[in-house]
Amino acid sequence: NAGVTQTPKFRVLKTGQSMTLLCAQDMNHEYMYWYRQDPGMGLRLIHYSVGEGTTAKGEVPDGYNVSRLKKQNFLLGLESAAPSQTSVYFCASSYSQSSTDTQYFGPGTRLTVL
Amino acid sequence: QKEVEQDPGPLSVPEGAIVSLNCTYSNSAFQYFMWYRQYSRKGPELLMYTYSSGNKEDGRFTAQVDKSSKYISLFIRDSQPSDSATYLCATRSRGGRDDKIIFGKGTRLHILP
Repeated sequence: NAGVTQTPKFRVLKTGQSMTLLCAQDMNHEYMYWYRQDPGMGLRLIHYSVGEGTTAKGEVPDGYNVSRLKKQNFLLGLESAAPSQTSVYFCASSYSQSSTDTQYFGPGTRLTVL
Repeated sequence: QKEVEQDPGPLSVPEGAIVSLNCTYSNSAFQYFMWYRQYSRKGPELLMYTYSSGNKEDGRFTAQVDKSSKYISLFIRDSQPSDSATYLCATRSRGGRDDKIIFGKGTRLHILP
């Protein structure tokens, strides 16, 4: 099992450009999450999905859109990138939302917006 | 007040020392407490998980929760250079469809050989 994979690993964008980050998991997990991690801010939830075809807003959703067309994939889109979106983005997945269930994280995507 | 507070460090200790990492939280509804370890340029991975107050031990690691003071601790015995990482405390209330994990900012730990 590959677990949670993220594509790309690194990306540099200019302000106003768009891009899509792809997250894939092969653990048949129902729940998937997108976080961003910034120095001094910790991990913050952007959007999440409780199942195929469903998405919901997290703590910092503005400027991002997501889609979950297939159970194993969760896409994060930036329509018009801004320097404030320079961050490390982590995808995670879990089998359920049980209080004892573990979230498994991907290796991250480092995004720089110039 | 942030829901979970954690000193960012860095914390440097010599190899073999006992390490104490700590967090405080504000919401008494939090029932479940976790410690994640994150190596440089990697994603976080779950290290320890505890429910309510008390201690939980796993090898060289002990997680401790004191709900009366809203204080979470992680102790590492016989620390090794391979323990050098960022440690994130995290908590959640009850689980369920829209429940969220709240993460601390992380403490950077350096174990000096």
